[in-house]
Amino acid sequence: NAGVMQNPRHLVRRRGQEARLRCSPMKGHSHVYWYRQLPEEGLKFMVYLQKENIIDESGMPKERFSAEFPKEGPSILRIQQVVRGDSAAYFCASSPPTTQETQYFGPGTRLLVL
Amino acid sequence: AQSVTQPDIHITVSEGASLELRCNYSYGATPYLFWYVQSPGQGLQLLLKYFSGDTLVQGIKGFEAEFKRSQSSFNLRKPSVHWSDAAEYFCAVGAREYGNKLVFGAGTILRVKS
Repeated sequence: NAGVMQNPRHLVRRRGQEARLRCSPMKGHSHVYWYRQLPEEGLKFMVYLQKENIIDESGMPKERFSAEFPKEGPSILRIQQVVRGDSAAYFCASSPPTTQETQYFGPGTRLLVL
Repeated sequence: AQSVTQPDIHITVSEGASLELRCNYSYGATPYLFWYVQSPGQGLQLLLKYFSGDTLVQGIKGFEAEFKRSQSSFNLRKPSVHWSDAAEYFCAVGAREYGNKLVFGAGTILRVKS
């Protein structure tokens, strides 16, 4: 049973470009969470999605950031016009529909903005 | 507001010695608690979790944690540390009332000396 998959594992962007981060949840999981880990810090919640629905986006910056989890395909975290402060590790977690409390994390995408 | 405190940023123990990592939380709802471990450049692996019931929880790799409601603590312990335990450890708290999003502590980096 494959775990949570994220790609790319590393992403380098120049200021002003767009970053697209992908997350495929574990098989059978219908809930996806995105977290951001800044250097020397713990993880901070960004957004919680179910298929085709954003449930909680209280941790998402109001501008430039968006997330989706379409009916088919992976969840996407999109950052437009990246700035150096967006450099961080972005982790996706998934949980099954019956035991939503336990989240299983992917390996993360390390984003570096030059 | 919900918060998780891991008072120790770094801990160094000798191989074979016992280990205790501290975690205190402040939460406005009945929490469920997790410990995750992160090796450098990797994702988070779930060590153990507490939802309810027996307050002493056993996890993988010989770890255990004890939930003490009166002290708002969920400390992680291991009786004999192995060099492969060197990693960063995160305590996390969630609650169904808050939509299952996890609040993480800042992490404790464990160094093991031989």
